[in-house]
Amino acid sequence: DGGITQSPKYLFRKEGQNVTLSCEQNLNHDAMYWYRQDPGQGLRLIYYSQIVNDFQKGDIAEGYSVSREKKESFPLTVTSAQKNPTAFYLCASTSLQGRSSLNEQFFGPGTRLTVL
Amino acid sequence: QKEVEQDPGPLSVPEGAIVSLNCTYSNSAFQYFMWYRQYSRKGPELLMYTYSSGNKEDGRFTAQVDKSSKYISLFIRDSQPSDSATYLCAMSGGRNTPLVFGKGTRLSVIA
Repeated sequence: DGGITQSPKYLFRKEGQNVTLSCEQNLNHDAMYWYRQDPGQGLRLIYYSQIVNDFQKGDIAEGYSVSREKKESFPLTVTSAQKNPTAFYLCASTSLQGRSSLNEQFFGPGTRLTVL
Repeated sequence: QKEVEQDPGPLSVPEGAIVSLNCTYSNSAFQYFMWYRQYSRKGPELLMYTYSSGNKEDGRFTAQVDKSSKYISLFIRDSQPSDSATYLCAMSGGRNTPLVFGKGTRLSVIA
């Protein structure tokens, strides 16, 4: 089955710890994205990558880091510098190829991170 | 002013009602307009998309874009309890530019 997987589904972290959220896609998509969703806030873009070994900051990149060593994988690290990391984290991907004018983003199931 | 404004609700309607969901935006460069549906504790899924102005219909769902007013709408006819979800509008200026999302409107359809 083609799709986007995120792991773990639930993650608990103690204050001061770094944690890494996994995102993998087998859709052969070029671009991948990380969003944070808080109640009443919608989706806010953290980082995105359109090509391997390159990525750009989104609106709320502070306290987060990413890597894109493989086309299929785009892990997100939540560092201890992120002051309020408790949230629902969503990964998405899209193809930048083809004749379609649509840049539909396909989303993973999300990871709920709680800081204890 | 935020780039995309969307009333978060919650919106509660009886089964069979017509639902109207709306977003306004400020960036006149936006050309691609989408509606995503998100069930509780799940990732969003694409429901409708429209390029530039106009209407698009798919079953019980109709998406409208009025670029002159910077206003987009999603209509749901004969609403069902299974339509209960959060609806997010999203838009971008080009295929390779990130989407900008509204905050989402939480809809409950009561049987």
